[in-house]
Amino acid sequence: NAGVTQTPKFRILKIGQSMTLQCTQDMNHNYMYWYRQDPGMGLKLIYYSVGAGITDKGEVPNGYNVSRSTTEDFPLRLELAAPSQTSVYFCASSSRDRGNQPQHFGDGTRLSIL
Amino acid sequence: AQTVTQSQPEMSVQEAETVTLSCTYDTSESDYYLFWYKQPPSRQMILVIRQEAYKQQNATENRFSVNFQKAAKSFSLKISDSQLGDAAMYFCAYRSAESGYALNFGKGTSLLVTP
Repeated sequence: NAGVTQTPKFRILKIGQSMTLQCTQDMNHNYMYWYRQDPGMGLKLIYYSVGAGITDKGEVPNGYNVSRSTTEDFPLRLELAAPSQTSVYFCASSSRDRGNQPQHFGDGTRLSIL
Repeated sequence: AQTVTQSQPEMSVQEAETVTLSCTYDTSESDYYLFWYKQPPSRQMILVIRQEAYKQQNATENRFSVNFQKAAKSFSLKISDSQLGDAAMYFCAYRSAESGYALNFGKGTSLLVTP
């Protein structure tokens, strides 16, 4: 059972570069999320999606973009990377429900912007 | 947006003893869910326990239990018979229909377990 798979696990970017963090899930979940975790902090919501073709902003969306063309995939795009985007990024998914089902998390991507 | 507060940045407990981690939250909603997640150094996010706000009975999962006080907006986690493997960051999280049922996390409590 793969669950939620994130690639890459680690990446170093230079300021101004762009990249896409990949996230795929094989549980046929409708809801998918991107969070970032800064050192010593809890996770903060960047973007979320409630189904293919539907995305919306979370608490910290600036500097990021997402798309959801399929149920399985929810890539996160960083445009013009900045040092403030150095963080650990988590993708998560859950089934369509009223909220009592747990979110399944990927193993995270550690991203450094230098 | 709802806020989740964990007032204990660090806690320490001896092996086999009991420890309680605190969490409070601020909301005007009546329908929501509360979770505790464990994050070991491997950085995996592991669900420890969950509580539905409409249930009065406190959730229990083996050595882990919660004290849910809805009126006080408090959701503490009790770990009994602490084990070395319990050492980790623990995050309290709130979830509701807002933002597609996304989780709203506290800043976490680092739990140290000493032999």
